[in-house]
Amino acid sequence: DGGITQSPKYLFRKEGQNVTLSCEQNLNHDAMYWYRQDPGQGLRLIYYSQIVNDFQKGDIAEGYSVSREKKESFPLTVTSAQKNPTAFYLCASSIRWQVDLYSNQPQHFGDGTRLSIL
Amino acid sequence: AQKVTQAQTEISVVEKEDVTLDCVYETRDTTYYLFWYKQPPSGELVFLIRRNSFDEQNEISGRYSWNFQKSTSSFNFTITASQVVDSAVYFCALSEGSGGSNYKLTFGKGTLLTVNP
Repeated sequence: DGGITQSPKYLFRKEGQNVTLSCEQNLNHDAMYWYRQDPGQGLRLIYYSQIVNDFQKGDIAEGYSVSREKKESFPLTVTSAQKNPTAFYLCASSIRWQVDLYSNQPQHFGDGTRLSIL
Repeated sequence: AQKVTQAQTEISVVEKEDVTLDCVYETRDTTYYLFWYKQPPSGELVFLIRRNSFDEQNEISGRYSWNFQKSTSSFNFTITASQVVDSAVYFCALSEGSGGSNYKLTFGKGTLLTVNP
């Protein structure tokens, strides 16, 4: 079945460490996204990529980095510069960046990765 | 700037009650898209509906219905005869529309719905 796979489901980081969250999609979608979810805060956009080899900062990009070398993969690195990394991270994709007027294609989400600090 | 407000942080109902989740949005765009997503305890977001700004028809899908009113900038979601399986966090979201709408979504903070047996 087509979908988005995020791994691992749970991740622990020591102070000063970088960690990378994996996001893979087999939906042949052009656009991919990373969101951060904190309790009571809803989802906030970290980075997005409209197409392979391109990515843009979202609303809370500081302390994070991404790459988009392959269409199906959009890994997120949480660097040691991110002072409060404990959160639930969700990856998403859409068939293209622009919302299609005539189709009901939504933004698809993965199951998320919960990152905690040891 | 775009903004989505879900004023109800938590709602608790008894099974078979009807419940309405409120969503109020702000945007300067004339073309935009509104979404509702469900997040069950497992964590993934499940797409429920997308509504275009130029289509104010209300929509019904089984026990779910949506009331879109541009005059009040609201896109409310009603669950009729609620069930325990409806317990989840529900998010309303708005797409950025300047120059053509895209999937850079602005989310509300979500409403936690608990349906008790």
